[in-house]
Amino acid sequence: DIQMTQSPSTLSASVGDRVTITCRASQSISSWLAWYQQKPGKAPKVLMYDASSLESGVPSRFSGSGSGTEFTLTISSLQPDDFATYYCQQYNSYSRTFGQGTRVEIK
Amino acid sequence: QLQLQESGPGLVKPSETLSLTCTVSGGSISSNSNYWGWIRQPPGKGLEWIGSIYYTGNTYNTPSLKSRVTISVDTSKNQFSLKLSSVTAADTAVYFCAREEYGSGSYHFDYWGQGTQVTVSS
Repeated sequence: DIQMTQSPSTLSASVGDRVTITCRASQSISSWLAWYQQKPGKAPKVLMYDASSLESGVPSRFSGSGSGTEFTLTISSLQPDDFATYYCQQYNSYSRTFGQGTRVEIK
Repeated sequence: QLQLQESGPGLVKPSETLSLTCTVSGGSISSNSNYWGWIRQPPGKGLEWIGSIYYTGNTYNTPSLKSRVTISVDTSKNQFSLKLSSVTAADTAVYFCAREEYGSGSYHFDYWGQGTQVTVSS
């Protein structure tokens, strides 16, 4: 079973900051990784897929990179609407696993 | 616009079977490029993938729940369903259904239902 570990668990930042969240896989997953944003009481929303592909309609301040076992989600300039919890998710042929989440809060 | 809607009892007794249905509208569940999945989120915790199904009935489930999970599809009704047997309080969660879309090498969840709260309690 592939485990996904995100860091940090909580991140305090200000509007305009550059923010980076890391996700590590317990074994290589090629580029088969997605990132989601979730706000309280809402369903998650996909931001990135295949590690670095931006989902249609998602602002370009979001970017993703990585392959193998280490991945990052970067928000180039944090906006008020970006305060939320972010999850990575791996895909392989037989399973999907989410990371434990990173909460981005206002500093 | 594709929409997914979960339905089912909000309260289930311990040791009984949780049953939920996801109705897909605005698109066909028989699409070649999609899987359909169930994800849950216990109160205050993160997301847990439960399992996914293809319209042909091919399924994949998380190992930790595999013996208790049954996911099925009814293409005539454009629905897929989840059954989780022998539930305990640990199964209390918001349950989401979602569509998996194929990218250039993998699947990701691009459309989600609003989620339904299921509480396990006597």
